[in-house]
Amino acid sequence: DQQVKQNSPSLSVQEGRISILNCDYTNSMFDYFLWYKKYPAEGPTFLISISSIKDKNEDGRFTVFLNKSAKHLSLHIVPSQPGDSAVYFCAASLDNAGNNRKLIWGLGTSLGVNP
Amino acid sequence: NAGVTQTPKFRVLKTGQSMTLLCAQDMNHEYMYWYRQDPGMGLRLIHYSVGEGTTAKGEVPDGYNVSRLKKQNFLLGLESAAPSQTSVYFCASSYGGYTEAFFGQGTRLTVV
Repeated sequence: DQQVKQNSPSLSVQEGRISILNCDYTNSMFDYFLWYKKYPAEGPTFLISISSIKDKNEDGRFTVFLNKSAKHLSLHIVPSQPGDSAVYFCAASLDNAGNNRKLIWGLGTSLGVNP
Repeated sequence: NAGVTQTPKFRVLKTGQSMTLLCAQDMNHEYMYWYRQDPGMGLRLIHYSVGEGTTAKGEVPDGYNVSRLKKQNFLLGLESAAPSQTSVYFCASSYGGYTEAFFGQGTRLTVV
């Protein structure tokens, strides 16, 4: 049972346009959300995060939006660049028993930005 | 600026052989993790550690053992490798909890 779902396995956009990557979750106890980017043959790298007390967080070209009532978050990349072509993972975190945090990962969305 | 370093990067094992994957971090992080990534399965947590001398099971611990004798190192052992353990293994570390983890470059393991 996938608690964090990225329903689009792949996405293709034109350079300069907006890329929107979506993520849905089922557990209302998640209180922190993260996006990671992964290039082939490399480990994931942290991109941006958002706490459940916020509905938006921006960092340069990257903005994450959180809609708690819909249990949905999205990552917007504006403008998209060819170097953004990578697999993007959504992850959700909750405070597990004993105060050890648990992180649940989506399956990833492969973004291709065409020049 | 090494961050998280995994060795080796590639390995081919025969069924039944054993091996140890080494993860080293130079960021003084308390938390360290071992993940495996398989096609269509995303990242799955094998074992993790919340500090030197501690280890805990993740989602898919069977067939693996870990040790954290030093804060900067987290070792993943396969005692008797099986083809089902063919995967890409990632080590990660974080200062505390899961807020932001730094990953190594991965180890591609093939068990034949």
